Amino acid sequence: DAGVTQSPTHLIKTRGQQVTLRCSPKSGHDTVSWYQQALGQGPQFIFQYYEEEERQRGNFPDRFSGHQFPNYSSELNVNALLLGDSALYLCASSFGLAGAPGGTQYFGPGTRLLVL
Amino acid sequence: DAKTTQPNSMESNEEEPVHLPCNHSTISGTDYIHWYRQLPSQGPEYVIHGLTSNVNNRMASLAIAEDRKSSTLILHRATLRDAAVYYCILRVSSEKLVFGKGTKLTVNP
Repeated sequence: DAGVTQSPTHLIKTRGQQVTLRCSPKSGHDTVSWYQQALGQGPQFIFQYYEEEERQRGNFPDRFSGHQFPNYSSELNVNALLLGDSALYLCASSFGLAGAPGGTQYFGPGTRLLVL
Repeated sequence: DAKTTQPNSMESNEEEPVHLPCNHSTISGTDYIHWYRQLPSQGPEYVIHGLTSNVNNRMASLAIAEDRKSSTLILHRATLRDAAVYYCILRVSSEKLVFGKGTKLTVNP
């Protein structure tokens, strides 16, 4: 049973460019959440997708956008990259949106983005 | 979002028990207490969660204070593979996890 997979594993971009990160959820999961983790910090919630719609968003600018496909996979897009966007981007999957808060999220290994 | 307070770092010796504390004095009645850990160069992984009663699973035990204002994650016999950052999280909905800085656990051989 494949867990959460993310691609690419590493990425280098320059300021002002755009980037797309991809995530495939764990088998049987239909909800995808994205997190940003700066060096030495805990992950910060970006947004969550369920039924191909953004359901909740953290404190991130509109430069951060996403998409969920009918097969539940998801993309994270970041436009007009800034140096401060350099971080580990984590994808987490879970089942159901309105499930009990005892539900578990499964994380992928992340994509490390470096903006020069 | 309700806040948690954890020590920045802790050390343990291999094969000894480890007690990782977490304070959450502003917890509400509907907040679940979750623990995740993040091994080096990996994404976070679920460890355990509970609401009011103590919980055990194959990875760890979770002891919750009677007033729910604090909890302790217990690793019964630490191994080198348990070296990680451990996050204590209060969760009221399924929509997001709010991470703090966590506790970096070092396990000495």
